Amino acid sequence: DAKTTQPPSMDCAEGRAANLPCNHSTISGNEYVYWYRQIHSQGPQYIIHGLKNNETNEMASLIITEDRKSSTLILPHATLRDTAVYYCIVRVSSNDYKLSFGAGTTVTVRA
Amino acid sequence: GAVVSQHPSRVICKSGTSVKIECRSLDFQATTMFWYRQFPKQSLMLMATSNEGSKATYEQGVEKDKFLINHASLTLSTLTVTSAHPEDSSFYICSARGRLAVSYEQYFGPGTRLTVT
Repeated sequence: DAKTTQPPSMDCAEGRAANLPCNHSTISGNEYVYWYRQIHSQGPQYIIHGLKNNETNEMASLIITEDRKSSTLILPHATLRDTAVYYCIVRVSSNDYKLSFGAGTTVTVRA
Repeated sequence: GAVVSQHPSRVICKSGTSVKIECRSLDFQATTMFWYRQFPKQSLMLMATSNEGSKATYEQGVEKDKFLINHASLTLSTLTVTSAHPEDSSFYICSARGRLAVSYEQYFGPGTRLTVT
């Protein structure tokens, strides 16, 4: 599975959009981009995933560049409860479903 | 989404003893369960994958005789840390997939914090 690079931390203001970048320059054509988050001392939570088209659900939007070498997770209106570590994971959809977690981005939402 | 529970949520044990952690899928049949370990300020590290009725597959560097995994039913997997040592103190998290799950459907438990004294 391709390796991802994320900034170690970022702050954002409550009520504003939070844009979380992820670089995956070695991504293969059949690899999806997944985002999970982990609130302190809890298990990870699935957020969203995509292959090449932009995706949106009730939690977030995922913007994938045309060359697929990077993506951005957008939390449209960050709340204090969105403070968490956010993991960008790239993997082949049809493999053994194992998830390889990197260091992630620690997002702190401030009032 | 589906619910996965873990028991206990916290456990303290003495060095040299064994401790069992349970992972249950409460409202679906989990054909595959994963066990992760997370040390403070570090990311999750996959330890092993277990399929119901089969022996677990361990990741490189994980001692299968020390971390015993049993997945005897479609709703329960257990991780037993044998002869625990202080360096085994960690946050243990399980996740589960169902039989008809699509690619992203992997549900995580709340984790078990193990402290070995």
